[in-house]
Amino acid sequence: AQSVTQPDIHITVSEGASLELRCNYSYGATPYLFWYVQSPGQGLQLLLKYFSGDTLVQGIKGFEAEFKRSQSSFNLRKPSVHWSDAAEYFCAVVPLRNMNTGFQKLVFGTGTRLLVSP
Amino acid sequence: DGGITQSPKYLFRKEGQNVTLSCEQNLNHDAMYWYRQDPGQGLRLIYYSQIVNDFQKGDIAEGYSVSREKKESFPLTVTSAQKNPTAFYLCASSTPRGDYATYNEQFFGPGTRLTVL
Repeated sequence: AQSVTQPDIHITVSEGASLELRCNYSYGATPYLFWYVQSPGQGLQLLLKYFSGDTLVQGIKGFEAEFKRSQSSFNLRKPSVHWSDAAEYFCAVVPLRNMNTGFQKLVFGTGTRLLVSP
Repeated sequence: DGGITQSPKYLFRKEGQNVTLSCEQNLNHDAMYWYRQDPGQGLRLIYYSQIVNDFQKGDIAEGYSVSREKKESFPLTVTSAQKNPTAFYLCASSTPRGDYATYNEQFFGPGTRLTVL
């Protein structure tokens, strides 16, 4: 079945340490790829997106993500985590087959909750 | 400042009652969406509207209804037919797509947490 998988439900990282959040997708063609962040009780904010071109994408708040076609992955990274990064992170895709229709449906993963320890 | 507002932030409902969640945007966006978020399940699309006076069912429309009489507003009614309505509801909006190769970012509101007592 076509889907977006975030295998880690929770991750705890020490402040100042590096972070990598995993995302895998299972679609025949590379979809459009996104990472969103959600602070507790809040809406979602777009961190970064990948459509084509350079496979290393820079986003806001010091985040970056790397698209790896061979692994069907789009992992999110940050070299040094701050306490304010504690939030839930969602990977999402727009399947390319939807691009020819009038509506581009976002398909979300189940999210990874990031905890930052002092 | 332009943005999306959702009200109320917290909503409590007795079983068997209908309740309406408000979503207003001043971004001049044509398209609006409603999502439901449950712990461990990500976001699921309830309804979407690409233009005034038109809307379409998403993946989990049963037990919900919407209207789109104004460009700025897209209220969601949770009816008594919705079997498990307790959840966090998010509204979003975007500009309409240009050509097939473009994607227009969805902007999200702060959400409404609905609890059925």
